[in-house]
Amino acid sequence: AQSVTQPDIHITVSEGASLELRCNYSYGATPYLFWYVQSPGQGLQLLLKYFSGDTLVQGIKGFEAEFKRSQSSFNLRKPSVHWSDAAEYFCAVGTGTASKLTFGTGTRLQVTL
Amino acid sequence: ETGVTQTPRHLVMGMTNKKSLKCEQHLGHNAMYWYKQSAKKPLELMFVYSLEERVENNSVPSRFSPECPNSSHLFLHLHTLQPEDSALYLCASSQSTSPGQGGGYTFGSGTRLTVV
Repeated sequence: AQSVTQPDIHITVSEGASLELRCNYSYGATPYLFWYVQSPGQGLQLLLKYFSGDTLVQGIKGFEAEFKRSQSSFNLRKPSVHWSDAAEYFCAVGTGTASKLTFGTGTRLQVTL
Repeated sequence: ETGVTQTPRHLVMGMTNKKSLKCEQHLGHNAMYWYKQSAKKPLELMFVYSLEERVENNSVPSRFSPECPNSSHLFLHLHTLQPEDSALYLCASSQSTSPGQGGGYTFGSGTRLTVV
């Protein structure tokens, strides 16, 4: 069975600083990978997804993520964080046959002005 | 209307009440899901419906009863809940019955449930 680990529960960055959120997955074959963002009291919104091909994936709101098979990682990055990026971020993995996605426990991002 | 719509957005109910949460998707998706999100806990998958059939029930107590009358609608019927059932209940849909291959989920905004 697949699993996802987000090692950082909480991260604080200054506005304008760069951001990297870590995600590691466990799955024997090539996974389908996703990053979602959740603002307080809201549902989850898809930021980006990786299926195959180019390992650097561009998403909405200026985010990107890089799939590294050798490290079983799919880290989310943003060059310059805005205060409105403060939210909780979830990494998720899917397979070709599973009837559901498997989510990490989330990383809460705080942005200081 | 597009996307996944959940109603109501907020619900306060007593432990002896019966209520229902509604989820509606206008995306032509083939699978729908109920998740529970409690404070400081991971997302908990409750039920999976694939082509209107329940394919997964993650040991959810019988006081939660799902219903999927057609591919666009999903309900969660609630009765005799406990205070620990207070949480954000999220509905999601997926184009494919294998959401990994199908591009992931589209989530609703959730129903904030408080049991008093």
